[in-house]
Amino acid sequence: SQQGEEDPQALSIQEGENATMNCSYKTSINNLQWYRQNSGRGLVHLILIRSNEREKHSGRLRVTLDTSKKSSSLLITASRAADTASYFCATISGSRLTFGEGTQLTVNP
Amino acid sequence: DVKVTQSSRYLVKRTGEKVFLECVQDMDHENMFWYRQDPGLGLRLIYFSYDVKMKEKGDIPEGYSVSREKKERFSLILESASTNQTSMYLCASSPGLAGVEQFFGPGTRLTVL
Repeated sequence: SQQGEEDPQALSIQEGENATMNCSYKTSINNLQWYRQNSGRGLVHLILIRSNEREKHSGRLRVTLDTSKKSSSLLITASRAADTASYFCATISGSRLTFGEGTQLTVNP
Repeated sequence: DVKVTQSSRYLVKRTGEKVFLECVQDMDHENMFWYRQDPGLGLRLIYFSYDVKMKEKGDIPEGYSVSREKKERFSLILESASTNQTSMYLCASSPGLAGVEQFFGPGTRLTVL
């Protein structure tokens, strides 16, 4: 079964707006990670949130985790055109990551 | 900075050819991973390795094999390439701890004709 399903699949916003992406998962987790992928490139780790944390910040990124609902959200504030990319959540089992299909974010200048 | 490199960015092969995709990491990571990425299917784990000469099947190992003779190098082998193996292949590495981030290479876009 698919762990880490993001929604929306695609999001288009104007520069300066906030972007929110959501992730749902099915089984218990120790932590959840968010990654970013620029078109045709590898993934880059953005942020990790542990199961005992509810919210975490890193620069313009804010991640929340609700283990009772098995969901997480990634908020990018004051978006920039350079934020245009695909964003993936990933759940952990041991050292293995299981990724969702991602949200394609387009930030229009 | 951790660096994960892959031998080719783009590769075109013919059906039935044997294909080698190479991945090298320079941070002495214990774990290495091979994924393939396809539209609508996300990233799927093919094989991973926790140590030299050690390998574990991921979710879609059929049609693939791997080799890890040295800690820094993890090779993905397509014994007889088929058109349904046309995909983006991503290699990643991570330290030998559970639940840590993975570092990805730039990817190899393989086309099998």
